[in-house]
Amino acid sequence: DADVTQTPRNRITKTGKRIMLECSQTKGHDRMYWYRQDPGLGLRLIYYSFDVKDINKGEISDGYSVSRQAQAKFSLSLESAIPNQTALYFCATSDGHRSQETQYFGPGTRLLVL
Amino acid sequence: GDSVTQMEGPVTLSEEAFLTINCTYTATGYPSLFWYVQYPGEGLQLLLKATKADDKGSNKGFEATYRKETTSFHLEKGSVQVSDSAVYFCALSEGGTGGFKTIFGAGTRLFVKA
Repeated sequence: DADVTQTPRNRITKTGKRIMLECSQTKGHDRMYWYRQDPGLGLRLIYYSFDVKDINKGEISDGYSVSRQAQAKFSLSLESAIPNQTALYFCATSDGHRSQETQYFGPGTRLLVL
Repeated sequence: GDSVTQMEGPVTLSEEAFLTINCTYTATGYPSLFWYVQYPGEGLQLLLKATKADDKGSNKGFEATYRKETTSFHLEKGSVQVSDSAVYFCALSEGGTGGFKTIFGAGTRLFVKA
């Protein structure tokens, strides 16, 4: 089984709808991240969490919110989806205490906002 | 601010050709440097990393050396295979009093022809 799973894998929604993307991990890592990937822009960090009680905004948090329900679960919500949030979303985990930790990525969720 | 710049793609090579993908960075401190690879339909996975100046990361025939004097971390492989076709991301990770940050380059797509 995959160590980092994301659901759903694909989602089509309409402008103004609220949606939630879910991430679960079995690696036992404390740190979890949400990124979005756009063509030509690489990955940009939306939110990150270093433990269940720690939530931090990343580079592009506007329009998004997150919930860390447990060490293993980290959800990303779009309160009112808009077309420019169409992208590929990745969840990732890491266990490092310093900057050189490796990140482990889920397979991604492809989101289309009409 | 910190940034990662990598050569634009796509890069198209014939099998057994030599590969170089350039990556340069700007950082305020002493980051760790990474190369991640994304195969079609999958999330990113670590290819190699280096945590201090002059370190060489290597994996699967790929190599990159952390060059502080030129702020570079170029990816090289002596003989590419069709199975190396993927998108390659250079990244830096830095922690400190300013908080955690990780920055990815825009990615370079590699096509290898048989």
